[in-house]
Amino acid sequence: DAGVTQSPTHLIKTRGQHVTLRCSPISGHKSVSWYQQVLGQGPQFIFQYYEKEERGRGNFPDRFSARQFPNYSSELNVNALLLGDSALYLCASSLARGNQPQHFGDGTRLSIL
Amino acid sequence: SQKIEQNSEALNIQEGKTATLTCNYTNYSPAYLQWYRQDPGRGPVFLLLIRENEKEKRKERLKVTFDTTLKQSLFHITASQPADSATYLCAPYGQNFVFGPGTRLSVLP
Repeated sequence: DAGVTQSPTHLIKTRGQHVTLRCSPISGHKSVSWYQQVLGQGPQFIFQYYEKEERGRGNFPDRFSARQFPNYSSELNVNALLLGDSALYLCASSLARGNQPQHFGDGTRLSIL
Repeated sequence: SQKIEQNSEALNIQEGKTATLTCNYTNYSPAYLQWYRQDPGRGPVFLLLIRENEKEKRKERLKVTFDTTLKQSLFHITASQPADSATYLCAPYGQNFVFGPGTRLSVLP
């Protein structure tokens, strides 16, 4: 079975631009979560979506938004990019919300120039 | 705010020895705690989950303990191998997952 897939794998943007990252969960998984991981740190929670509704939000500004589609895939959008947004963005899927093992993709490496 | 600390950024041990990694958390009481392994350039991979009413959980060479009084979890890898070299992340679960900064384990042959 295919694991969690994320696209693109790498992306270079400049300050002020907008970016959309995509995630396809494992088949049958209804929950998708997004994390930001800066080099040398653990993943920081951004959003969780379950059954197409936002179920949790981390301490990130409103420039960050996300949505989940009927097929359970998800997009993360970041507006007005800042240099500090440079990071690895990870998507994780799980069968349901709550305490479930998270299955991670290998992330999108976003670099802001 | 919730805070998670993991022992030392890096831990070096000899092959065959037992590696012990520590995860301490403050300012909340998670009902569950998970451990993940992360290799360079890859996403984390789930290893073990332990609930607050479980003292210990084992899976092959891995063992996790969860002490809610001390607010601490210990992660042990017995008979360590060079292939165990990776960064290990703890993730206590309250309303959402909060990951620790990770401990980079190097198992030397």
